Amino acid sequence: KNEVEQSPQNLTAQEEEFITINCSYSVGISALHWLQQHPGGGIVSLFMLSSGKKKHGRLIATINIQEKHSSLHITASHPRDSAVYICAVAGTGGGADGLTFGKGTHLIIQP
Amino acid sequence: DVKVTQSSRYLVKRTGEKVFLECVQDMDHENMFWYRQDPGLGLRLIYFSYDVKMKEKGDIPEGYSVSREKKERFSLILESASTNQTSMYLCASTQGRARNQPQHFGDGTRLSIL
Repeated sequence: KNEVEQSPQNLTAQEEEFITINCSYSVGISALHWLQQHPGGGIVSLFMLSSGKKKHGRLIATINIQEKHSSLHITASHPRDSAVYICAVAGTGGGADGLTFGKGTHLIIQP
Repeated sequence: DVKVTQSSRYLVKRTGEKVFLECVQDMDHENMFWYRQDPGLGLRLIYFSYDVKMKEKGDIPEGYSVSREKKERFSLILESASTNQTSMYLCASTQGRARNQPQHFGDGTRLSIL
């Protein structure tokens, strides 16, 4: 079973700071997901990637398959970015059997 | 946009009750999932289904069952609720294989068992 580790667990930063959240996993994967969860519970999918880099607005996600590591970056952070960010991985092989999740990074951006 | 709707945001039940959590998606997705989320443990997969009447156990199926009689609806059943089942429950769906598709989540049901 894949072990997914995120760091840091908690992060408080000032508005406009550059934010990096890290995710590492133990076993080869077919895809890695970055998810965002705001207070109240709803989860939104930010990125799904299997190689390289993806960018959406101020968010950038990278993955290094050889090192089994991914990072989520937020440029020019804003208080509305405050949320829990969750890394999740999808295994290889046949079938559709759900994701394995990290425990999440609780991000607070102060004005 | 895909809409995944969970029947209740908050639910309070008593120990021993049979509890039904309902999830409906409107995009004809094949795969549906039930997760629970607990502080310090993250999200964990309870059950999933890849087709009508098909179900597969996830990582923590004990104490739960599921039903998928129609493609759009996936129900989670707590046969005899216990206090350790107090948690946030999240439903998700994907089109095709979960590995290659983004998961669409409902808003969650916060269930308290007294």
